[in-house]
Amino acid sequence: NAGVTQTPKFQVLKTGQSMTLQCAQDMNHEYMSWYRQDPGMGLRLIHYSVGAGITDQGEVPNGYNVSRSTTEDFPLRLLSAAPSQTSVYFCASRGTGTPDYEQYFGPGTRLTVT
Amino acid sequence: AQRVTQPEKLLSVFKGAPVELKCNYSYSGSPELFWYVQYSRQRLQLLLRHISRESIKGFTADLNKGETSFHLKKPFAQEEDSAMYYCALGQRSGNTGKLIFGQGTTLQVKP
Repeated sequence: NAGVTQTPKFQVLKTGQSMTLQCAQDMNHEYMSWYRQDPGMGLRLIHYSVGAGITDQGEVPNGYNVSRSTTEDFPLRLLSAAPSQTSVYFCASRGTGTPDYEQYFGPGTRLTVT
Repeated sequence: AQRVTQPEKLLSVFKGAPVELKCNYSYSGSPELFWYVQYSRQRLQLLLRHISRESIKGFTADLNKGETSFHLKKPFAQEEDSAMYYCALGQRSGNTGKLIFGQGTTLQVKP
């Protein structure tokens, strides 16, 4: 199993550009989520999904869109990038057989918006 | 409001010294607490959970409901313990469990 994979590893965007951060897992996990990691702020939940076709907002959803058309994939879209979105983004997943809150994290995507 | 506070951004100790990473929480229900660790250039991973009362890599953490704390302790720090440590609180929403993370503490163990 590859676990949770994220692409790209690094990305530089200009203000106003759009892009999609990819996240995939091969563990047949129902629950997937996106976090952003900022110095002094810890990890903050952006969006999450409890299964294909079902998504919900987390703590900091503004400026981000998600969809979940398959169990495996949970892409995060930035429609119009802003410098405030410069961060490291982590995707995580958890299956129903996994103890609650034991989430498996991807390696992260480091995004810089200039 | 549910909140997790880690008051120290950086904790620097010498190898062999005791370590205590502080974590305080605010939660109205019965809390479930966790410590996650991120070693350099590696992904975040679960270190331990309060409910299992386990010791992982020499680390322990006891839930103190009276002081609303879940401090992480190790009697003798090793250089390989150097990492970012996050305390996290499980928040139940319907059938879903979400994690609320603290700000994180960087542990630096000097030789």
